[in-house]
Amino acid sequence: EAGVTQSPTHLIKTRGQQATLRCSPISGHTSVYWYQQALGLGLQFLLWYDEGEERNRGNFPPRFSGRQFPNYSSELNVNALELEDSALYLCASSHRQGHEKLFFGSGTQLSVL
Amino acid sequence: GQNIDQPTEMTATEGAIVQINCTYQTSGFNGLFWYQQHAGEAPTFLSYNVLDGLEEKGRFSSFLSRSKGYSYLLLKELQMKDSASYLCAVSGRDDKIIFGKGTRLHILP
Repeated sequence: EAGVTQSPTHLIKTRGQQATLRCSPISGHTSVYWYQQALGLGLQFLLWYDEGEERNRGNFPPRFSGRQFPNYSSELNVNALELEDSALYLCASSHRQGHEKLFFGSGTQLSVL
Repeated sequence: GQNIDQPTEMTATEGAIVQINCTYQTSGFNGLFWYQQHAGEAPTFLSYNVLDGLEEKGRFSSFLSRSKGYSYLLLKELQMKDSASYLCAVSGRDDKIIFGKGTRLHILP
């Protein structure tokens, strides 16, 4: 069974540009989580999608947005990139949020120059 | 709000036992998770506690006290491969899973 896959592995952008990160959950999982992992800050909750809808979001500005497609894959968009957006972005999936363990992808390393 | 605290770093010796503590304050509580994350890799699931008490799984055990907002992860017979970060995470009333900053564990030979 394939795990959670994320693309691209690495992404280099300049300040002010837009970045799109993609995630495919494990087959059968309907919930997708996005986390930002910056150096020294741990995993910061960004967004949670379930059954195609945004269920919750963390304390991030509106320029962080995303969506979940009918096949449950998901996209994270970051507009007007800032230097401090440089981080590892992790996607995780589960059967049912809140009571099921999360399976993580290997992440997208975003570097903003 | 939600807050999860765990020590930043710990050091232990190969073959020994180490206990990593986690305290939390959350709005509601659905369960507590422990994850392991090796440098440069994705976090992997270790344990899940919903009820008070100790859950044992091989060399790893996890304990939960909901009244005290406290959990610990116990690692026995430490091996060099256990050098990693250990993340405590809590699922609250709104079903968000919030992570602590993680504890970096160093194993000495």
